[in-house]
Amino acid sequence: EVQLVQSGVEVKKPGESLRISCKGSGYSFTSYWITWVRQMPGKGLEWMGRIDPRDSYINYSPSFQGHVTISADKSISAAYLQWSSLKASDTAMYYCARHFTASSSFDYWGQGTLVTVSS
Amino acid sequence: QSALTQPASVSGSPGQSITISCTGTSSDVGGYNYVSWYQQHPGKAPKLMIYDVSDRPSGVSHRFSGSKSGNTASLTISGLQAEDEADYYCSSYTSSTTWVFGGGTKLTVL
Repeated sequence: EVQLVQSGVEVKKPGESLRISCKGSGYSFTSYWITWVRQMPGKGLEWMGRIDPRDSYINYSPSFQGHVTISADKSISAAYLQWSSLKASDTAMYYCARHFTASSSFDYWGQGTLVTVSS
Repeated sequence: QSALTQPASVSGSPGQSITISCTGTSSDVGGYNYVSWYQQHPGKAPKLMIYDVSDRPSGVSHRFSGSKSGNTASLTISGLQAEDEADYYCSSYTSSTTWVFGGGTKLTVL
């Protein structure tokens, strides 16, 4: 069974750093990209970027380039999303999804990681 | 990269059919057959319903279908059921080698 399991709820202060994770199982982790998606409270889905775990090639959305860093460790089938200095506006649910490259769709999703940034 | 345009809300009665539109440009929806649709129930992760404009993943009901004409893609749900009440999002590959979502449509089953 394909599963993407994300790390738990995070409560942080502005200016702090953070890395959240997404661990894949039940499939060959290096055969599919991983995409990250933001959903701010009460709002829609936003595509942030994707990584190819084979070689760590990354595409970022222009809206997120420079604000977050996407990485992966294929040895443990994990992908990461990190911030060096959080802002209150980073408060959101973050989802990772398996990116089915042949169809350019996101076929399996993690359960989401809620990040709250507040002083 | 602007979000694809979807109606904010649609509604229908049980048994009826509804269609949700997703309008982009020739640089995304109109340029590629890489449009997908996602269903999201409150508090849940999105679920893939349609990929490559009109293909259904295994396990998705045949009541869900997709199509595209020019720069506009559409999701049709026939035989509406109460469980279909959810938010629906379209997504498309773009010429910038990125992906973009629509703003989302809230479906209410009356």
